[in-house]
Amino acid sequence: RKEVEQDPGPFNVPEGATVAFNCTYSNSASQSFFWYRQDCRKEPKLLMSVYSSGNEDGRFTAQLNRASQYISLLIRDSKLSDSATYLCVVIGNQFYFGTGTSLTVIP
Amino acid sequence: EAEVAQSPRYKITEKSQAVAFWCDPISGHATLYWYRQILGQGPELLVQFQDESVVDDSQLPKDRFSAERLKGVDSTLKIQPAELGDSAMYLCASSILAVDTQYFGPGTRLTVL
Repeated sequence: RKEVEQDPGPFNVPEGATVAFNCTYSNSASQSFFWYRQDCRKEPKLLMSVYSSGNEDGRFTAQLNRASQYISLLIRDSKLSDSATYLCVVIGNQFYFGTGTSLTVIP
Repeated sequence: EAEVAQSPRYKITEKSQAVAFWCDPISGHATLYWYRQILGQGPELLVQFQDESVVDDSQLPKDRFSAERLKGVDSTLKIQPAELGDSAMYLCASSILAVDTQYFGPGTRLTVL
């Protein structure tokens, strides 16, 4: 079983839509969680950290569910510029990346 | 804003040749990582350094890959000999501590012919 699993998508949504991604992890002792954004042929860049209490940054909301061992990312009012691959990251005994979820926002 | 530097940005080589990639982390970042990312997949950790010491190289194909960070600052990743399956993006990242946010360099895109 993989340490981190993500639905690869692709997700194709219209501008203004709300979209949510989930990411499950296998190690219940995992300590830290992040969402990264990766544009085509570019390096991953930190989008936001994920805290137990949940956190929000503008149109983006990240949540952690330790009981069910998943993290989620919600994007409201999608913009064309949100089109990218979103990678979840889980830190257990090392940094584990998901395979990424591809999002395309359509005009 | 401080950035992780990598060079070269692109490398084309023939199989059986040797290649080397260089990474200069953000100043003050003790932890340095090398990842390999194949198109359509997430980054896969190859090696992690804490200062000049290797912390984790369990996924590094040691028969052909080597990595060093002699003075605990910049690092070199070498492949010898390169194989067709090594074609990928090689990403370097650094962080202040091992469980902190990682910052990535622009990567080296390797094509093995």
